[in-house]
Amino acid sequence: GAVVSQHPSRVICKSGTSVKIECRSLDFQATTMFWYRQFPKQSLMLMATSNEGSKATYEQGVEKDKFLINHASLTLSTLTVTSAHPEDSSFYICSARDRLAGKQFFGPGTRLTVL
Amino acid sequence: AQTVTQSQPEMSVQEAETVTLSCTYDTSENNYYLFWYKQPPSRQMILVIRQEAYKQQNATENRFSVNFQKAAKSFSLKISDSQLGDTAMYFCAFMPDGANSKLTFGKGITLSVRP
Repeated sequence: GAVVSQHPSRVICKSGTSVKIECRSLDFQATTMFWYRQFPKQSLMLMATSNEGSKATYEQGVEKDKFLINHASLTLSTLTVTSAHPEDSSFYICSARDRLAGKQFFGPGTRLTVL
Repeated sequence: AQTVTQSQPEMSVQEAETVTLSCTYDTSENNYYLFWYKQPPSRQMILVIRQEAYKQQNATENRFSVNFQKAAKSFSLKISDSQLGDTAMYFCAFMPDGANSKLTFGKGITLSVRP
């Protein structure tokens, strides 16, 4: 089946630093990728939608200057958390849409801890 | 706007028994998809089953089947012969048909399978 990889799986950083998370679709082309944030025992909260070659669309309340998203190719999207603070600590999940299959597949997630 | 409601936060089932997870949704769309995703303790989101709204036949995937009632906007998941590995959070999700459509998730339900 379709696979989406995410790297790193876990990252710890100091407050004020930036962290980049990569999301790759491994066996299909993803014109659209999504970034979610999830708190423990809660549902996924959509942060932004990225389309290959264009600017990401952010959900209301999500700071686009803080969460930089780049979708440079049909198989790669990156999320950069800039000047991270402890309140940014969370579980971040990417997802890629396989339009041909009409399905959306998820990466394994990245646990970010900001000290 | 679409809404997805999962009103049961937790359920428990004995191994080998059958359990049904409820989900209702609200939309004015005519063409859409419904999904059930499983999130085990590893937190990897796994697609369990998918239903196209235009199909009257209920989707089935091995031990997993749905009861799709379009008029009632209900989409329940039945797990037969429950296994310990079914222990997870289950999310019901809605997605309208369209190139830039987004998944809308319910709050999720925590299912525990007892040995």
